[in-house]
Amino acid sequence: GAVVSQHPSWVICKSGTSVKIECRSLDFQATTMFWYRQFPKQSLMLMATSNEGSKATYEQGVEKDKFLINHASLTLSTLTVTSAHPEDSSFYICSARRQGPGELFFGEGSRLTVL
Amino acid sequence: DAKTTQPNSMESNEEEPVHLPCNHSTISGTDYIHWYRQLPSQGPEYVIHGLTSNVNNRMASLAIAEDRKSSTLILHRATLRDAAVYYCILRDGRLGNEKLTFGTGTRLTIIP
Repeated sequence: GAVVSQHPSWVICKSGTSVKIECRSLDFQATTMFWYRQFPKQSLMLMATSNEGSKATYEQGVEKDKFLINHASLTLSTLTVTSAHPEDSSFYICSARRQGPGELFFGEGSRLTVL
Repeated sequence: DAKTTQPNSMESNEEEPVHLPCNHSTISGTDYIHWYRQLPSQGPEYVIHGLTSNVNNRMASLAIAEDRKSSTLILHRATLRDAAVYYCILRDGRLGNEKLTFGTGTRLTIIP
């Protein structure tokens, strides 16, 4: 089946630094990718829709200047958490849709811890 | 997106069938019913989806009520590896409405 890979799987950073998380579709092209955030014991919350070659669409309440999304190719989207603070510590998950079938494929997730 | 309602948690004995219910009384004609599951510290995994007819695949079966206001995910023979949070999600099938909105899901515990 199709595979979506995220890197890094976990990262620890100091408060005030920026962290980049990559999401790759390994065996298919994805014109659209989605970024989610999940806090402990809570459900996934959609942050933004990443569109190849155009600006991302952010959900209400998500700061676009805080969470920078770039979808430069059909197989790669990146999420950069700028000036990270402890409250940004979370599990970040991306997903991608292959053309045609309705199934969305999810990455393994990236756990961010901000000290 | 139309909302779904699921029990917060369920338990089942190993090697027995499991029926996970989902109510979606406000479903629209273009909404597909999707099921995903999430194991601890992993991203969600696709299980099954359907529109009107019952569906079967190697992982599970999906039974959809005739009025489409409810559905049931059926795991025919639960194993310990099936312990996860199961999400029932409605997804608009019209082009451009592709995002998935997750509810709270059902936490399934398998008893050895």
